[in-house]
Order: sequence, then structure tokens, then C-alpha cells
Amino acid sequence: GAVVSQHPSWVICKSGTSVKIECRSLDFQATTMFWYRQFPKQSLMLMATSNEGSKATYEQGVEKDKFLINHASLTLSTLTVTSAHPEDSSFYICSARGLDTGELFFGEGSRLTVL
Amino acid sequence: DAKTTQPNSMESNEEEPVHLPCNHSTISGTDYIHWYRQLPSQGPEYVIHGLTSNVNNRMASLAIAEDRKSSTLILHRATLRDAAVYYCILRRSNSGYALNFGKGTSLLVTP
Repeated sequence: GAVVSQHPSWVICKSGTSVKIECRSLDFQATTMFWYRQFPKQSLMLMATSNEGSKATYEQGVEKDKFLINHASLTLSTLTVTSAHPEDSSFYICSARGLDTGELFFGEGSRLTVL
Repeated sequence: DAKTTQPNSMESNEEEPVHLPCNHSTISGTDYIHWYRQLPSQGPEYVIHGLTSNVNNRMASLAIAEDRKSSTLILHRATLRDAAVYYCILRRSNSGYALNFGKGTSLLVTP
């Protein structure tokens, strides 16, 4: 199956700093990517839909100025958590749509810990 | 989106079949039934999906009730590596490809 890779796998940062997470589709072009957040022992929550070359669409309750999403190419989307605080500590997961089957391929996830 | 209901947890013995149920009584005619699973500390993994007919692939089988108000994911021989949270998700065919995850079923496989 198609491969979606995230980097970094985990990151620890100080409160107030910004952190960028990359999501790459390695062997296919993804016009649409999705960003999810997962807190411990909870399910995945959709944060935003990212379309190549256009502004991301955010789900209700997700601050677009805090979670900056850029999808500048067909194989790369980035999520930047700006001025991170401890409550932003979470598992962030991206996914990309496969063009042929329509199924979603997920990255390995990036665990963010804000001290 | 139509809602799905799954048991919180299930347990199975290794090498035995596992039937994971999902109720979706408000499903509409254009809703696809998707199953994903998530191993600990990993992103979800696609398992199978279907619309009306039963589906088989190398990972599992999907049995869909005739009225489509329920479905069952069948793992034919559970292994320890199948221990994961299994999510049953409905996706409307004309609503884009974003998936909204519920709580899923946590499957425990014992040797």
C-alpha cells in the first residue's frame, strides 16, 4: 500500500515555542491531506483538511491561527503548532487520500510533549 | 454523518476467528462502511471497506447485513499482532474523504 511518513516521530519543546510537523506521501501524489489529533485513551479527532495550493479547512473549535497548515506541494503538508502550551501535548496524525482507491493512508504519528 | 456503535472491548484467543460487530442503524444509501485499526502508538491502518456486498481481502472479511444497518468485521485467525483498536466508520460518497472516528473496539488477543 501507499506510504505516508511523518517527521518528527516525537518532539519535546518548551512552552511558548513553535513546532513544525511534516507529512509526506512517499510514493503517490496527494491532493488532499488530513490532520488529526489524539489525546491519551481517546479517539482521533479531525482537525483540518488540507488541499494542495489552497487554504486549509478547519473543523469547528480548532484555532487556525494556532495550528498553521501548509500544503505547498502534492507530496508535503506541514502542521505548525504555534506558541505551544502543555495542553497542546498530543499525538498528531496526518493522512492522505489514495487517488486510485479513495482509502486514506495514515502516517505513523508525531507525539508532541510541551513542557 | 451517520453514527456507528461498537462494543468498547472484546477478547479473543490466538488462532481463533474474531467477529467484531458494528451497528449503524441510521446509515444512508450512499454511505460506505470503512474499517480501520490502530495499533498502540501508531497511526490507523486501513483494513477493509464495502457498500452493500460482503467483501474479502487478505486481512479480513466484511459481512454487511442485508438492510445495511449493521456489519461485522471478521478476522479469520487472530494473532497477537491483531491486538488493536478497530474503528467502524461510515463515509458518505459525496462528502469528501475525511473520516470521523468513533471510540472503536479494543481487541485483546490472548495466547
